[in-house]
Amino acid sequence: NAGVTQTPKFRVLKTGQSMTLLCAQDMNHEYMYWYRQDPGMGLRLIHYSVGEGTTAKGEVPDGYNVSRLKKQNFLLGLESAAPSQTSVYFCASSRQGAIQPQHFGDGTRLSIL
Amino acid sequence: DAKTTQPNSMESNEEEPVHLPCNHSTISGTDYIHWYRQLPSQGPEYVIHGLTSNVNNRMASLAIAEDRKSSTLILHRATLRDAAVYYCILSSSNTGKLIFGQGTTLQVKP
Repeated sequence: NAGVTQTPKFRVLKTGQSMTLLCAQDMNHEYMYWYRQDPGMGLRLIHYSVGEGTTAKGEVPDGYNVSRLKKQNFLLGLESAAPSQTSVYFCASSRQGAIQPQHFGDGTRLSIL
Repeated sequence: DAKTTQPNSMESNEEEPVHLPCNHSTISGTDYIHWYRQLPSQGPEYVIHGLTSNVNNRMASLAIAEDRKSSTLILHRATLRDAAVYYCILSSSNTGKLIFGQGTTLQVKP
């Protein structure tokens, strides 16, 4: 049972490049979330989804887009990467919102030069 | 979104109980209290959560004040592997969003 898998684990981009981070879960969870974590800080919610085909903004959505075309996948896109987006990105999923715990992936470490 | 207040850091001795406090005076009636912990270079790990009543699981206990404005995570016997950042979070029952604060860094001394 893989749980939550994030791809890639590491990536270095140049300013202005675009990329997509993939999050896949095999637990049939309805809810999925994308967070970022900067050094010495707690996680901040970027976007989330409460079901297939739905997305919503979190605390820090600017500069990111997301899609949830399939229930098991939640994609995070950076259209034009900026150095301020250098961070560790975590994806999480849960079965039923606040009632159930969130399961986190191992993170994607993204550096933008 | 309701916020929580935790001490920045705490120390404990190995094999002793640890009580991690959290204040959440603006909690609403439908907010769940969640605790997660994060070890270095890892994603957060779920510890425990509750709504009104105290909760126990294999990892820890959660004691919730009667007015729900504060809670305490109890690790019954700290081990070196419990050294981590512990986050107390209020989660909306509608969306399940977790709004992380700075957390409490727990050091466990042998």
